[in-house]
Amino acid sequence: DAGVIQSPRHEVTEMGQEVTLRCKPISGHDYLFWYRQTMMRGLELLIYFNNNVPIDDSGMPEDRFSAKMPNASFSTLKIQPSEPRDSAVYFCASSLFQYTEAFFGQGTRLTVV
Amino acid sequence: GDSVTQMEGPVTLSEEAFLTINCTYTATGYPSLFWYVQYPGEGLQLLLKATKADDKGSNKGFEATYRKETTSFHLEKGSVQVSDSAVYFCALSDRGGSEKLVFGKGMKLTVNP
Repeated sequence: DAGVIQSPRHEVTEMGQEVTLRCKPISGHDYLFWYRQTMMRGLELLIYFNNNVPIDDSGMPEDRFSAKMPNASFSTLKIQPSEPRDSAVYFCASSLFQYTEAFFGQGTRLTVV
Repeated sequence: GDSVTQMEGPVTLSEEAFLTINCTYTATGYPSLFWYVQYPGEGLQLLLKATKADDKGSNKGFEATYRKETTSFHLEKGSVQVSDSAVYFCALSDRGGSEKLVFGKGMKLTVNP
């Protein structure tokens, strides 16, 4: 398996634009997680899914953020409208079971100017 | 709630020095414990894990022992290499508790030749 695949690796956008980050989890993994990493706040869990269903979105910072998982092999994280304070590295991760280790993608570095 | 406290650094060591990164946790259920490593520009990778008290996880010369009595999972390596320069995260997953991965803030290690 190629691991968790995220796209794009880098995204630069202007404030107010819509941004969509994409993730393909490892095949057969039932759990998918979206994290955000910044110098100031470290690694934050935004939302996670079990079998394509959102379980906990308490980490989503604002209504500008939304996440979907239309099928077992694809998830998106959307920011609309984007703001400079959204600049961060966004990671997607997947795991086979709830209490086992998670496997991370390479991340998307988002810069909002 | 569940939490992880670890040394934040940054720490700089010379090659072949001994490394210890302290990690303590608070959990309400039955946690599994993990150490992740993040190399520059990459996502987090699982370094080692332990799922029950007194278990020792080991990988690439790193070791950590699950100590329930002291609620600790300290990471050690006897002789670090330049290639060990990275950020190290302690984490837990708590069956019966928060039910999701909880990370420490991470510690940046730089190893000089």
